[in-house]
Amino acid sequence: DTGVSQDPRHKITKRGQNVTFRCDPISEHNRLYWYRQTLGQGPEFLTYFQNEAQLEKSRLLSDRFSAERPKGSFSTLEIQRTEQGDSAMYLCASSFRGFSTNEKLFFGSGTQLSVL
Amino acid sequence: KQEVTQIPAALSVPEGENLVLNCSFTDSAIYNLQWFRQDPGKGLTSLLLIQSSQREQTSGRLNASLDKSSGRSTLYIAASQPGDSATYLCAVPSGGYQKVTFGTGTKLQVIP
Repeated sequence: DTGVSQDPRHKITKRGQNVTFRCDPISEHNRLYWYRQTLGQGPEFLTYFQNEAQLEKSRLLSDRFSAERPKGSFSTLEIQRTEQGDSAMYLCASSFRGFSTNEKLFFGSGTQLSVL
Repeated sequence: KQEVTQIPAALSVPEGENLVLNCSFTDSAIYNLQWFRQDPGKGLTSLLLIQSSQREQTSGRLNASLDKSSGRSTLYIAASQPGDSATYLCAVPSGGYQKVTFGTGTKLQVIP
């Protein structure tokens, strides 16, 4: 059990470019979550996967954002045509049966995105 | 809409002091509440999860209580140490089946 891994740790990009982040959850966890956190704020829910199915999406997730979890293992979050307002820490979390079943969420270290 | 508030936003205490962090939520129809710790520039580490049927949960020097009827939870840290310096966040389920709402956190500094 190596914990939740996120790659890259930091990403600097120019406005208008596309970026992709990767999350590798704990191996036996079939629930995977993406959150976004800006400075001084708590994380905000973006989307949730159960295995390969994306079951919930926040209204925060505009058409420029897309997330996938092929084969129910790792997940990717892509942001197209980045804007300066996308600058934030993007956090991935996983759990075995989900927060609603009174299980803890395990977070990765996050990807810090800076859009210039 | 679930709203979560944490007071104070920041706290500075001398080493060895006992302290209490507060978390308030507007929708008391929750089935659990989780406390997290976040170090600067890092992800979140789960500290305690307290179920709605429980009133308290303890782990080492940490004790979390939950009062659903009043919409409050407290995190008690005994004999604080400099290594406890971090931001502490509480989180409750809200809206969708797996959606979680976080508070804005309390930034704790323990001074040696």
